[in-house]
Amino acid sequence: AQTVTQSQPEMSVQEAETVTLSCTYDTSENNYYLFWYKQPPSRQMILVIRQEAYKQQNATENRFSVNFQKAAKSFSLKISDSQLGDTAMYFCAFMRRLDTGNQFYFGTGTSLTVIP
Amino acid sequence: DADVTQTPRNRITKTGKRIMLECSQTKGHDRMYWYRQDPGLGLQLIYYSFDVKDINKGEISDGYSVSRQAQAKFSLSLESAIPNQTALYFCATSVGSSSYEQFFGPGTRLTVL
Repeated sequence: AQTVTQSQPEMSVQEAETVTLSCTYDTSENNYYLFWYKQPPSRQMILVIRQEAYKQQNATENRFSVNFQKAAKSFSLKISDSQLGDTAMYFCAFMRRLDTGNQFYFGTGTSLTVIP
Repeated sequence: DADVTQTPRNRITKTGKRIMLECSQTKGHDRMYWYRQDPGLGLQLIYYSFDVKDINKGEISDGYSVSRQAQAKFSLSLESAIPNQTALYFCATSVGSSSYEQFFGPGTRLTVL
């Protein structure tokens, strides 16, 4: 079975500082994808960043980057130069490919507060 | 206009009532999903559909049913609502087997009294 674990229910960071959100997963698959989604107070789920398991290079999207450690099954999100708009719930997600489509598994989320 | 819409956005109902949540998409995606979100539990998959004739149970399908009326529409029904079905419900879409991203609707907050 696939599981995704986010061990930090809540975190806070000062504006302009850097914060890292942790995520670990468990799978026997070799080909899969990992995602970080952001859910602001508006409730909308927004894709932040994705990582293909076969790629060794860590994904980066502007102020957001990941530290993907495949052997350790770890996928942390680093937010640099934190902004007030980064305040949100962040979900780590794992996707495995099936013959007929994709299955997604989500962690329980980390609530991030950016403090002015 | 939003690509994935859900109606209603908020709903309060009573125990035992039948309720339907609707999801429509203009993205042309063939895959559609229903999740529920509870505090501290993340998103749990209720049902998913890979095309109009395909319906699959997810992790927590008991007490729910779905209907894929067309490629663009995927409805979730609670035949007899109970209080522990109070949650935030999300519809999501993805395209084909090569898509690596899900696109989410705005969510429906359901309260069962």
